Amino acid sequence: EAGVTQFPSHSVIEKGQTVTLRCDPISGHDNLYWYRRVMGKEIKFLLHFVKESKQDESGMPNNRFLAERTGGTYSTLKVQPAELEDSGVYFCASSPLAGLYEQYFGPGTRLTVT
Amino acid sequence: DAKTTQPTSMDCAEGRAANLPCNHSTISGNEYVYWYRQIHSQGPQYIIHGLKNNETNEMASLIITEDRKSSTLILPHATLRDTAVYYCIVRPSDSWGKLQFGAGTQVVVTP
Repeated sequence: EAGVTQFPSHSVIEKGQTVTLRCDPISGHDNLYWYRRVMGKEIKFLLHFVKESKQDESGMPNNRFLAERTGGTYSTLKVQPAELEDSGVYFCASSPLAGLYEQYFGPGTRLTVT
Repeated sequence: DAKTTQPTSMDCAEGRAANLPCNHSTISGNEYVYWYRQIHSQGPQYIIHGLKNNETNEMASLIITEDRKSSTLILPHATLRDTAVYYCIVRPSDSWGKLQFGAGTQVVVTP
């Protein structure tokens, strides 16, 4: 069974540009989460999808971040325009059900904004 | 959600048991204790979780004190591949799944 995959693995962009990160959850997992770790900080929750609906987006830092999950399969996280402080590693995780079930994490996308 | 306190780092000799402590003195009755780890350059990985009884799986054992104010993750025979940051996380039973990571404990397993 394939795990959670994320694309790209690395992205280097200039301040002001747009970047789109993609996450493919484990097949059949209705729950999809985005997290990120910015330099020197702890891993922070961004948002949670249940199928195509946003269940919790309390961790989204500002309106430069847009997450979508059309059709309830893969998800994209767009940063527009990117700022220097957006640099970090963005993780995606999925689980079959919400609540207390374990989350399976992808390897992350390392974003560098110069 | 309850906060957790973990040591910043600890070393462990290969082949020996690694005992990782976690304090969660403000834990509520409906909150579970979870452990995840992050090996360098990988995403976090689930290890184990429990409510009040001790738990064991193929990776580790979780010992929760009777008052539930602290717990210990035990890696029975540490290997070099167990070098990672270990996170103790408290989650309410009615949680929709959001994980709140702290700073964790950097565990280094040495030959």
